[in-house]
Amino acid sequence: GAGVSQSPSNKVTEKGKDVELRCDPISGHTALYWYRQSLGQGLEFLIYFQGNSAPDKSGLPSDRFSAERTGGSVSTLTIQRTQQEDSAVYLCASSAGQGRNTIYFGEGSWLTVV
Amino acid sequence: QKEVEQDPGPLSVPEGAIVSLNCTYSNSAFQYFMWYRQYSRKGPELLMYTYSSGNKEDGRFTAQVDKSSKYISLFIRDSQPSDSATYLCAMSHSGSARQLTFGSGTQLTVLP
Repeated sequence: GAGVSQSPSNKVTEKGKDVELRCDPISGHTALYWYRQSLGQGLEFLIYFQGNSAPDKSGLPSDRFSAERTGGSVSTLTIQRTQQEDSAVYLCASSAGQGRNTIYFGEGSWLTVV
Repeated sequence: QKEVEQDPGPLSVPEGAIVSLNCTYSNSAFQYFMWYRQYSRKGPELLMYTYSSGNKEDGRFTAQVDKSSKYISLFIRDSQPSDSATYLCAMSHSGSARQLTFGSGTQLTVLP
């Protein structure tokens, strides 16, 4: 597609369940990023991929969070044993490289944990 | 204290007004400064990108950076209802997209 595609766009889950969020970056973009945006907060960096490897996982808030990227394209962010504080918008972005390149965001996955 | 501070608003102005949005920061190593616009339930989109101090103009938008004061601004001239959105400042020391620090955003409404 022309832009960064994320699914699901909305997800309501029960506390303790696992969720998977998917990101399909712009074709040809080698760098992929996951951010989290909570109400009234700025974007919080979670993880960065260059190709299939993740040189920077420093933003993952706990070991319940993990992410992978396959084929240098699609990425999945998994949250295990969800907690109410995980409720947020999870934004994926991609760029042509990890240097001074514009990053393009998807529309986000709106996660609500009840 | 957050590295980047941004007044959350909300800010409401009449159509045609000049809008001033601001961020302050504490990290003197920041050299690259950006403004993103985020419409409701959409992802942020890059609006302005500046390096170091000075001004940059693009149509109705002007970005200003004052590194000595650690203060950046975005001005919107002749504001339109379509400018109603949340504006996020972002900055980094390297220009690398993975090292951006974002402000919390200012919600702007331009009334027709």
